Amino acid sequence: GAVVSQHPSWVICKSGTSVKIECRSLDFQATTMFWYRQFPKQSLMLMATSNEGSKATYEQGVEKDKFLINHASLTLSTLTVTSAHPEDSSFYICSARGRGTSNEQFFGPGTRLTVL
Amino acid sequence: GESVGLHLPTLSVQEGDNSIINCAYSNSASDYFIWYKQESGKGPQFIIDIRSNMDKRQGQRVTVLLNKTVKHLSLQIAATQPGDSAVYFCAESITGGGNKLTFGTGTQLKVEL
Repeated sequence: GAVVSQHPSWVICKSGTSVKIECRSLDFQATTMFWYRQFPKQSLMLMATSNEGSKATYEQGVEKDKFLINHASLTLSTLTVTSAHPEDSSFYICSARGRGTSNEQFFGPGTRLTVL
Repeated sequence: GESVGLHLPTLSVQEGDNSIINCAYSNSASDYFIWYKQESGKGPQFIIDIRSNMDKRQGQRVTVLLNKTVKHLSLQIAATQPGDSAVYFCAESITGGGNKLTFGTGTQLKVEL
């Protein structure tokens, strides 16, 4: 149980285009989803927290107009990188937390974004 | 700002030996700690967690120790195997603080045959 998937697993795009990444909780309802970014040989940095049906809360320094997050259902959150540039190339990872008081987050496998 | 950090960026151990990975945290308000294993190109995998009302917790081949006095966390892996080779991250959070995780810098564990 508690499986989180991401799609696509990797994507290559041209500079200036937009890319959408999906995060799905497959066997539980995710009331909260988190989006992280990880550069090579670095740690995970939280970008934003999204709760189902409400606007995402972004961490300091993360541009909300560039990284659009939608959490329209209890099993799906999407991250859209708008007008992507080479510096946006990174490993994007989502995690999901279900109902209840548990702190545990379940992580997806990540999406490798390369912007040419 | 406050952060979670690790002492050793790389740890090399012989197969069969025990591994100890350390983590220092600075946010005294943190009350929940987790260790994750991340293999190359994959998402973090939960290993073990511990709450601040405990100082030790054991799992299968792994033990987490928490020393709140010096704000130190460690992960012990018994009889380290080649499959344990990965990057290990500690993470901290505050219950009621939105469940946000703050990750440490990570330690690369290399198991030598």
